[in-house]
Amino acid sequence: AQKVTQAQTEISVVEKEDVTLDCVYETRDTTYYLFWYKQPPSGELVFLIRRNSFDEQNEISGRYSWNFQKSTSSFNFTITASQVVDSAVYFCALSEVNFNKFYFGSGTKLNVKP
Amino acid sequence: DSGVTQTPKHLITATGQRVTLRCSPRSGDLSVYWYQQSLDQGLQFLIQYYNGEERAKGNILERFSAQQFPDLHSELNLSSLELGDSALYFCASREGCGETQYFGPGTRLLVL
Repeated sequence: AQKVTQAQTEISVVEKEDVTLDCVYETRDTTYYLFWYKQPPSGELVFLIRRNSFDEQNEISGRYSWNFQKSTSSFNFTITASQVVDSAVYFCALSEVNFNKFYFGSGTKLNVKP
Repeated sequence: DSGVTQTPKHLITATGQRVTLRCSPRSGDLSVYWYQQSLDQGLQFLIQYYNGEERAKGNILERFSAQQFPDLHSELNLSSLELGDSALYFCASREGCGETQYFGPGTRLLVL
């Protein structure tokens, strides 16, 4: 069965600190997709990144970076030099190859204090 | 703005009532997904439609139903509402061969 675990329920950091949000997934599929979404206090869900199971290259986008390791079934998200605007709930998600279902983790609430 | 629209934004109703939530996908997107997010909970997948046909079901109650119309908009019907149905309901859409879901702003339902 597919499952996504975000063990960190809530993290608090001070502005400019680096923070890593963990995501561990379970699947028996060889082809799958992983996603990160951001849910700011306003409530909408914002797409951040998509990664397929055949692409283990890490990715950097500005202050955001993602570390995908199939060997440990993890897809971790790091924010460098965090800012107050990064305060949100972050969700990791897994999709089957046919995209019929998406499985979301329970989310990690990030509080960035000034 | 994701391009996915949901109406209404807020809905307050009483137990036992029935409501309909509406979703318009991004232009050209054929798939529509519905999710429920209860207070301090993650997203629970409810159901997916692709070009008018049901493709996958998740943890959707029998009191809930959905459909996708020929113009590709979708409606989620919630009946015999209970207090526990109070939640944020999200719709997401995905293009036919795309890999990413894009979410609407959600409908916040409060059952009193």
